[in-house]
Amino acid sequence: GQQVMQIPQYQHVQEGEDFTTYCNSSTTLSNIQWYKQRPGGHPVFLIQLVKSGEVKKQKRLTFQFGEAKKNSSLHITATQTTDVGTYFCAGGNDYKLSFGAGTTVTVRA
Amino acid sequence: ETGVTQSPTHLIKTRGQQVTLRCSSQSGHNTVSWYQQALGQGPQFIFQYYREEENGRGNFPPRFSGLQFPNYSSELNVNALELDDSALYLCASSFRASSSQALRYTFGSGTRLTVV
Repeated sequence: GQQVMQIPQYQHVQEGEDFTTYCNSSTTLSNIQWYKQRPGGHPVFLIQLVKSGEVKKQKRLTFQFGEAKKNSSLHITATQTTDVGTYFCAGGNDYKLSFGAGTTVTVRA
Repeated sequence: ETGVTQSPTHLIKTRGQQVTLRCSSQSGHNTVSWYQQALGQGPQFIFQYYREEENGRGNFPPRFSGLQFPNYSSELNVNALELDDSALYLCASSFRASSSQALRYTFGSGTRLTVV
C-alpha cells in the first residue's frame, strides 16, 4: 500500500533561522496536503497541492510538489516560536489521505 | 459554521471492553474519516464513510467498525479492546462532490482513549 515518509523526524531550530522538511511517497499522488498539529492539539489544514511542480506560499511558508508528484517539501523562513508543532504531509489518492509520521519542530529563542 | 465535534474528550476503558466514540461533522460536509494517532506518530487511516456507507478501510481488524447517520454524524465502535488501542482517535469531515475527489479535511479535537 501507499506509504508516506517524512524527514527529519525532529527539527530543532534557532529562532530566525530557516529550515525545510521533506515528504516522499512510494506511489504517485493525486494531491499532497500539509497539516500542522500543535502540542496537545489536532491536525489543522495548511495547504493542498495538486499540480506537478506546483509551488505555493503562505507568508513565511513555502510548499512545493515534485514534478513526479511523489515528493513534497515545506520550507519555513525566519522561524518564530509560533512555528512550534508537528508538521504532517498527507498523500491523497482517491478517497483517503495517508499521513507521514511528521516533523516535530522546536524553536530555541 | 460549526466545526467538527467529538465526544467524549477522554475515556478510560478496561481491556476486553467495548467503546463507542462519536463525531458531529462540520456543517455542509458529507464525508467522515476516522484516524488513530498513537503517541508520537502520524494519524493512521481506519475507515471513511460517505453517504452512510463505508468507502474505504485501512489496515484495522473487524473489531473496529463504524456508522454514518443521515445527518452525516458518525460513530466509531471498537470491540474487545486491547492495550495497544490506547491512542488519540481523530474524526475528520470533508465535502465530497464525486466518489474519487481528493478531500481537504477538518479535524475534530479527538478522543483520548486509554485502555488499562
